[in-house]
Amino acid sequence: DARVTQTPRHKVTEMGQEVTMRCQPILGHNTVFWYRQTMMQGLELLAYFRNRAPLDDSGMPKDRFSAEMPDATLATLKIQPSEPRDSAVYFCASGSGTGGSDTQYFGPGTRLTVL
Amino acid sequence: SQQGEEDPQALSIQEGENATMNCSYKTSINNLQWYRQNSGRGLVHLILIRSNEREKHSGRLRVTLDTSKKSSSLLITASRAADTASYFCATPLGGDKIIFGKGTRLHILP
Repeated sequence: DARVTQTPRHKVTEMGQEVTMRCQPILGHNTVFWYRQTMMQGLELLAYFRNRAPLDDSGMPKDRFSAEMPDATLATLKIQPSEPRDSAVYFCASGSGTGGSDTQYFGPGTRLTVL
Repeated sequence: SQQGEEDPQALSIQEGENATMNCSYKTSINNLQWYRQNSGRGLVHLILIRSNEREKHSGRLRVTLDTSKKSSSLLITASRAADTASYFCATPLGGDKIIFGKGTRLHILP
C-alpha cells in the first residue's frame, strides 16, 4: 500500500531554532508539494517540485524557509530561524505529474509548535 | 483569489441523512476535485469531475458541476459516523498546482 510518509509527526521547538521536516513521496511520483495548514489561512501551497526541480516556491517566506529534494525519495522543508507564527501543520503531497487534473496523495503531516 | 469557497462552513446532520456541500469558484476550470480530511490526518482524494461532465458518482458520493454558475456540489447519501470530516474542493492553478478552499466541516450525529 503505497503512501507518502512524513517525519517527524510532531515537533515542539523554541523560537529561533532550526526545524527540518522530511517527506518520502510515493515511489514513481514525479511531483512533490509542500502545504501549510492553519485554522485562519486554510491550506497554503508553500513549494512544488517536478522531477526534483523546484518550480514554484512563491508561497514560502524566502528569508527563513527553504525546500529541497536531494533525491527522488526525499523532500525536505527547513525553517531557520523558526518563529511562533510558523506553528501549523505541514503536509507533503506527491502526484504523478499529469497536470492540474492529477490526484495528490497527502502524507499524515508534521504538527509544528514554535514556542 | 482563485480559491474555491465551500458552503456551508460547518454542517451537522443525523446519521442516515444526506449531506450536501457546495463549492463556488471564480475562474474557468477544466476540472474540479473534492478531497476529505479526517481529524489529524492528511487529505484524501475523493473524486474528480471534468468541465464536460455535469454529474459523477462514486459509491455514496454524487458530485455535480455547473460551469455556467461556476459551482459544484458534493452529496453524501445515507451518511455514516465515519463520514465526519472536513471536505475541500480544489481547482487547477496552473501546471500541476491546485488550490483548495477553506473546507466544510461535516459532523454526523449518532
